[in-house]
Amino acid sequence: GQSLEQPSEVTAVEGAIVQINCTYQTSGFYGLSWYQQHDGGAPTFLSYNGLDGLEETGRFSSFLSRSDSYGYLLLQELQMKDSASYFCAVRDRGSARQLTFGSGTQLTVLP
Amino acid sequence: SQTIHQWPATLVQPVGSPLSLECTVEGTSNPNLYWYRQAAGRGLQLLFYSVGIGQISSEVPQNLSASRPQDRQFILSSKKLLLSDSGFYLCAWSVVQETQYFGPGTRLLVL
Repeated sequence: GQSLEQPSEVTAVEGAIVQINCTYQTSGFYGLSWYQQHDGGAPTFLSYNGLDGLEETGRFSSFLSRSDSYGYLLLQELQMKDSASYFCAVRDRGSARQLTFGSGTQLTVLP
Repeated sequence: SQTIHQWPATLVQPVGSPLSLECTVEGTSNPNLYWYRQAAGRGLQLLFYSVGIGQISSEVPQNLSASRPQDRQFILSSKKLLLSDSGFYLCAWSVVQETQYFGPGTRLLVL
């Protein structure tokens, strides 16, 4: 089976940089995804890392180290609208058609 | 462009009553379809997924069932609801497993 760990809560101020970490245990890892979910809303896809390294999309970047079974989501120039829950998710060879989601990190951005 | 619809948006049902939640996808063919449940402040629990018409895989034993009568239609059902069935039910579709697109969700309260 799979297990993912991410912090339950993170707080930062507007304009700051925040990093949300995710460690995972899987068998036959394919890749790590990140999703954002605002209160009351549905999750939306942010990024995917299939290979080691950094993927950048605007203010958001995601990093993966397969050897360390570790990844993170980096949010720069934080805005109030970034307050949301962030989930990491993995796909592995044991469940190739599915994603297993972490329990989520609630990010609160303060003025 | 692709869209995903879920209805109803909210539902209040008594214990022991039946349930039928519907999800439809437009603008894509032969998608993978998923039903998730999310308890308040928690992560996403995969309930069912389907890779084609009539093909359903169940992830968690429970009193829920799913059906896929058409390529872009996914239905979640129960014959008798339990209090523990309350939650936020999300339908999602994907072509590439890492990128799942979620519907707006149905908030179910079982009383």
